[in-house]
Parts: sequence; C-alpha cells; structure tokens
Amino acid sequence: EAQVTQNPRYLITVTGKKLTVTCSQNMNHEYMSWYRQDPGLGLRQIYYSMNVEVTDKGDVPEGYKVSRKEKRNFPLILESPSPNQTSLYFCASRKMGRYEQYFGPGTRLTVT
Amino acid sequence: ELKVEQNPLFLSMQEGKNYTIYCNYSTTSDRLYWYRQDPGKSLESLFVLLSNGAVKQEGRLMASLDTKARLSTLHITAAVHDLSATYFCAVDSPNFGNEKLTFGTGTRLTIIP
Repeated sequence: EAQVTQNPRYLITVTGKKLTVTCSQNMNHEYMSWYRQDPGLGLRQIYYSMNVEVTDKGDVPEGYKVSRKEKRNFPLILESPSPNQTSLYFCASRKMGRYEQYFGPGTRLTVT
Repeated sequence: ELKVEQNPLFLSMQEGKNYTIYCNYSTTSDRLYWYRQDPGKSLESLFVLLSNGAVKQEGRLMASLDTKARLSTLHITAAVHDLSATYFCAVDSPNFGNEKLTFGTGTRLTIIP
C-alpha cells in the first residue's frame, strides 16, 4: 500500500531532550515536507526537500533540523525541544512534476 | 508575505442545505489546493486548481479558482453528515512554485441532521 508513515505517533518529552520524528514514504517521491499544525493557525511549513541531500527552510524552521540521506526518509530533528514546539506534526510527499501531496498520519508532540 | 484567509472559520449547517467556503490570498498565485481533515486524522487532497477559471467537482463538492480576484470557493450542495470535517485551502508561494505551500487556517464544517 502506497503510504507515508511517521513514528512515533504520540510523544511526550521534556524541555531540552533531543528527539527525532521519522518520516518514510514508499512511493519513490522526490519531494518531502514537514508541517506543524496549531489551533487557529492552520498548517505551517517547517522544512522541505526536493531530493536526496537537497533541503530548504519553510516558514517556521527555527528550532528544527532535517536531513535527507535517502530518498524514502526525511526525519525531523528537535535538538533542544521547548514547550512552544508542542504541536501536531505532519510529513508529506509528492512526485516531482505532480501537484498532489500525500500526508502522513501525524505525530502529536508534547514538550513539558 | 503570502497570506491565505478562509471564511467562515466555523460553519454549522443543516443537512440538505447549500453553502460556500471562501479562500482569499494576498499575492499572485496560479495554483490552489483544497484539503479535507477529519477529526484526529490526516489531510486528504480534494482538489488541485491549476489555472484561472478552473472548476472541479467531486460529488457534492465543487471548487473554483479566480486568480484575478485571488479567490477560490468550495461549494457544498445538499450537505450530508459525512461532509462534516475541517477544510483547508493552500496556495503555492509565488517565488517558489509548489515547493512551498501556505495554508489557510481552515473551516470547521459541522452538518446537523
């Protein structure tokens, strides 16, 4: 089944403890992206990647890192999480030249 | 900075009625997307509108795009309960194509029997 998977789905952590949220897609998509969703703000783009080793900032990149060493994986790294990073995170992918994005199931992160 | 506004933010409507959700955006863009999100779920692509005057329909939903007015509408015909969801529009960044998307804040639609 074609899909985007994220792990973990739920995470509660403490301020300053490094964490990684993984994202993987099995559709051979070149483009991948991370968003955060907050009430009243819709989705905001954190980082995106056009292909392996090609990443760029979205609208809210502060406090986040990403890497794209393999085409299928695009992990989101929070080196020192803070409470304002408590949010619902979505990974998405799409084929280059196409417009439709496929979203993962989401990761709900709580930083205390 | 590209801004995308949706209205209304909340909409409660009776089954069988028609209604329209509006999506306005602040700078020139040729492409607009509509997504649906059910409570606690991910986003599902509904429509991709690629040019001025584009109209797409799926079941009771119809989306249109007017790039001159920077406006898209999502029209619901004869609403049924299973259309209850949050609907988002999103617009390509004018300088980055569809690498960067800016989303509206969403319209939470509740259909009352």
